[in-house]
Amino acid sequence: GIQVEQSPPDLILQEGANSTLRCNFSDSVNNLQWFHQNPWGQLINLFYIPSGTKQNGRLSATTVATERYSLLYISSSQTTDSGVYFCAVETLYGQNFVFGPGTRLSVLP
Amino acid sequence: ETGVTQSPTHLIKTRGQQVTLRCSSQSGHNTVSWYQQALGQGPQFIFQYYREEENGRGNFPPRFSGLQFPNYSSELNVNALELDDSALYLCASSLYTGQQFFGPGTRLTVL
Repeated sequence: GIQVEQSPPDLILQEGANSTLRCNFSDSVNNLQWFHQNPWGQLINLFYIPSGTKQNGRLSATTVATERYSLLYISSSQTTDSGVYFCAVETLYGQNFVFGPGTRLSVLP
Repeated sequence: ETGVTQSPTHLIKTRGQQVTLRCSSQSGHNTVSWYQQALGQGPQFIFQYYREEENGRGNFPPRFSGLQFPNYSSELNVNALELDDSALYLCASSLYTGQQFFGPGTRLTVL
């Protein structure tokens, strides 16, 4: 089945810093989403981005489907950005999402 | 627009018991997917229901079963609970393929 990798596994930032999270996947995909999981377990939709670039406030994402990777950019990070960031992909052949292992982000005041 | 809801929020069971978790999909969505998230890991796909039929299944044993109702809400049933079934159970709704929206989850503890 499709493999999804995320890097880095852990990231510690000072408030105000910028960061880039990466998601690599091993096969063509129908769908790719980025999520932020808060401390209570809720998965919050950040981007639905099977290809191209999107921006939402301090966050932006780029997916290069032909090269099988996606990037999530966080600018001017805030302590509320802390948590685990997951990318998830839906293959062309299946009806399920495969999640990466996540990047745990800690933003220090 | 009503979001995805799940019940109960928390549940404690003992090994060997059976449990039913519930999910109400977002208004207008006809597909529900269930995921199991163990501590420190990413969610793992259990199965998906589309128009009341199972539409895909992950690597979970048959004691994990489900239902989808005409209003597109869904149940996840787990029989003969094992300690390793302790996890956060998440459901997501969508319009067949497309963006998935997740509920807050049910945290199951098996003692």
